[in-house]
Amino acid sequence: GEDVEQSLFLSVREGDSSVINCTYTDSSSTYLYWYKQEPGAGLQLLTYIFSNMDMKQDQRLTVLLNKKDKHLSLRIADTQTGDSAIYFCAERGTGRRALTFGSGTRLQVQP
Amino acid sequence: AAGVIQSPRHLIKEKRETATLKCYPIPRHDTVYWYQQGPGQDPQFLISFYEKMQSDKGSIPDRFSAQQFSDYHSELNMSSLELGDSALYFCASSLESGNEQFFGPGTRLTVL
Repeated sequence: GEDVEQSLFLSVREGDSSVINCTYTDSSSTYLYWYKQEPGAGLQLLTYIFSNMDMKQDQRLTVLLNKKDKHLSLRIADTQTGDSAIYFCAERGTGRRALTFGSGTRLQVQP
Repeated sequence: AAGVIQSPRHLIKEKRETATLKCYPIPRHDTVYWYQQGPGQDPQFLISFYEKMQSDKGSIPDRFSAQQFSDYHSELNMSSLELGDSALYFCASSLESGNEQFFGPGTRLTVL
């Protein structure tokens, strides 16, 4: 079955760039997503990328996809304290609409 | 912009009781999804509906059932509640033809 893995924790200083990594096993993944979850809150869709793309940029966010290695990353430029949250990577396989989530990476931004 | 609405936001039940969670999708969205997120866990897909028909099924226990109504809202019915059912339950909605799933704020269910 599908498996999505992320590192559990990342700490950066305010103003630095953050890079959150994700690996997945389903070679039929069509779309890959990044969601942000603040404490006690819902999941906010940040961005997503189609599997035939290798990069997508949206303001401070850059998504890189290495389909050969099944590796996805999210880079946040000029990280702010408000970016502190848990970031979930998720994938959607061919013919399915349900998302399979990774375990989430807790990003801590130090002032 | 209108978002996904879930009610109630918090629910406390005793073991063996029943619970009903409601989800109102973003206007014009025709597909709803239910996910369960246990403490410190990632969201796990339970079930989805498109145009009132079940479209996909995940790890939903037999004690749970769900449906989508003609106005596209959905309800998750949970019976014989167990302590392990304590979790955040998220509803998400999308257009069937779309690629984005938007999540509601969740219902926090506590089973005592």
